Amino acid sequence: NAGVTQTPKFQVLKTGQSMTLQCAQDMNHEYMSWYRQDPGMGLRLIHYSVGAGITDQGEVPNGYNVSRSTTEDFPLRLLSAAPSQTSVYFCASSRGTLAKNIQYFGAGTRLSVL
Amino acid sequence: KQEVTQIPAALSVPEGENLVLNCSFTDSAIYNLQWFRQDPGKGLTSLLLIQSSQREQTSGRLNASLDKSSGRSTLYIAASQPGDSATYLCAGSTNAGKSTFGDGTTLTVKP
Repeated sequence: NAGVTQTPKFQVLKTGQSMTLQCAQDMNHEYMSWYRQDPGMGLRLIHYSVGAGITDQGEVPNGYNVSRSTTEDFPLRLLSAAPSQTSVYFCASSRGTLAKNIQYFGAGTRLSVL
Repeated sequence: KQEVTQIPAALSVPEGENLVLNCSFTDSAIYNLQWFRQDPGKGLTSLLLIQSSQREQTSGRLNASLDKSSGRSTLYIAASQPGDSATYLCAGSTNAGKSTFGDGTTLTVKP
């Protein structure tokens, strides 16, 4: 049971490049989310999904796209990378609503945009 | 908008000491409060989840409490060990599917 798997672990991009951060979970969890973690700003919610085919914006969605075509996968797309998107990105999943269920986190993707 | 504050930002204690980490939140309409541990360069590991209808949860040497009326949660660590050294984060979640995290308290337990 791998839990929540994020790839890649590290990535360096040039300004303007696009890329997709991958997130997969094998726990059949309905809820998945993406956060970014920056020094002094804690974790901030980017996008989240309450089930396949359903996504919604979090606190800082600009510059990011998501889709949820399967229960297992929730990729995060950077359309045109900017230095302000240098951060550590975490994917999380939960069995159901956050009201009652523990969030499980991946190990993170460390992204640098030059 | 929910705001979550953790004080202090850093704490250093000698091994064996009991300690309390604090978490304050502004919106009492949270559905649960979750405490996490984060080791350097790693992801977050859930420690305890307190539902809004509960007052506290215990796991081993850890005890977390929740007081919605005052907007506070505490994480009590008994008989601290060097292996407890990490950053501890709290997060309040709403039924709408969003969590708000504090900035964390970095704990150092000295042998």
